Amino acid sequence: AQSVSQHNHHVILSEAASLELGCNYSYGGTVNLFWYVQYPGQHLQLLLKYFSGDPLVKGIKGFEAEFIKSKFSFNLRKPSVQWSDTAEYFCAVTGGSYIPTFGRGTSLIVHP
Amino acid sequence: NAGVTQTPKFQVLKTGQSMTLQCAQDMNHNSMYWYRQDPGMGLRLIYYSASEGTTDKGEVPNGYNVSRLNKREFSLRLESAAPSQTSVYFCASNTIEVPGPEAFFGQGTRLTVV
Repeated sequence: AQSVSQHNHHVILSEAASLELGCNYSYGGTVNLFWYVQYPGQHLQLLLKYFSGDPLVKGIKGFEAEFIKSKFSFNLRKPSVQWSDTAEYFCAVTGGSYIPTFGRGTSLIVHP
Repeated sequence: NAGVTQTPKFQVLKTGQSMTLQCAQDMNHNSMYWYRQDPGMGLRLIYYSASEGTTDKGEVPNGYNVSRLNKREFSLRLESAAPSQTSVYFCASNTIEVPGPEAFFGQGTRLTVV
């Protein structure tokens, strides 16, 4: 069975600071990896995804993530955060069954 | 593009009452899911349906039942609600076909059991 671990549960940053959120997964086979964002009171929306190919993927709103297979990691980054990035961020993985498994989430607060 | 439509958005139940959460998707996805979201716990899978006519238990199925009515619709039923079922419920769907298993979510149902 697959599992996902997100290391940072709460992150507080000032605007323009850089962001990196950690995500590690556990699965022995080929995986698909995702980062979702949930703005306050809303549903989850896809930020970016990795299926295959270039391990550095770019998503919406200036976010990017790097798949490092040897470390089973898929960390999310953004060079300069904005107040509007305040949200909860979820890393997710699908393995052979294509059932999405989610991490516990990271709550990001960006102070203006 | 409606995507995944979930009803109701809010519900308050008394302990022991029953209710059904409805979910429909218009993306021709084979797979549909029900998750619950609780603070600090992320999204936990309650039940899923890999295809029309099949349903399977997820991580936290106790107290719930599901019905895959047809390819579009997947409902979640609470037969006898308990305070521990107070949560936000999300329906989602995906497909293994092109472009891949990205999950699409409904708007969520905020359920309070008193």
